[in-house]
Amino acid sequence: EVQLLESGGGLEQPGGSLRLSCAASGFIFSSYAMTWVRQVSGKGLEWVSVISASGDSTHYADSVTGRFTISRDNSKNILYLQMNSLRAEDTAVYYCAKSGRYGRIDYWGQGTLVTVSS
Amino acid sequence: DIQMTQSPSSLSASVGDRVTITCRASQGISNYLAWFQQKPGKAPKSLIYGASSLQSGVPSKFSGSGSGTDFTLTISSLQPEDFATYYCQQYSTYPHTFGGGTKVEIK
Repeated sequence: EVQLLESGGGLEQPGGSLRLSCAASGFIFSSYAMTWVRQVSGKGLEWVSVISASGDSTHYADSVTGRFTISRDNSKNILYLQMNSLRAEDTAVYYCAKSGRYGRIDYWGQGTLVTVSS
Repeated sequence: DIQMTQSPSSLSASVGDRVTITCRASQGISNYLAWFQQKPGKAPKSLIYGASSLQSGVPSKFSGSGSGTDFTLTISSLQPEDFATYYCQQYSTYPHTFGGGTKVEIK
């Protein structure tokens, strides 16, 4: 059974940093791309970033480019999202997702809440 | 970026109704289109990929069609557990944009 467990969310001040983690199990982690998606409370889904299976290719939404960095540790089956220069508009639930061929999402984690506020 | 437009943004339907949701891409995406279901307070769930292929474990009352720019999600006979918000997403080109969602409510 695929399991994705996010952690690292919390309250951070504007301009601060947080690192989200996503622990994966139930599949061969090193064989699949992984994605981060976020959702502001009461709003729709926003694609944030993707990383290839090997970690050598990444893509970002314009809204986070230059501030967020996606990475992975295939030896530990963990996906990361380093979030710097946080803004109030980054406040959202962040989901990690397993991605199949072409980056399509097939399984989702339960999400972790990030709140950016002074 | 490719814009994904869903319609309607919300609808009211009765148990047993056939429901159709539309998703339009601002440019052609072949069949790189997925549908997701999200219930309040829960993570999204994958329903369909490749515009018409059912994710493993998803009941056959859900079906998808379309190619290019116009796509539909159909629920053949709405059941109480199907009341939720549905999102489309294109994965043809980065960023992999989502539609704004369609909330299916009980009439």
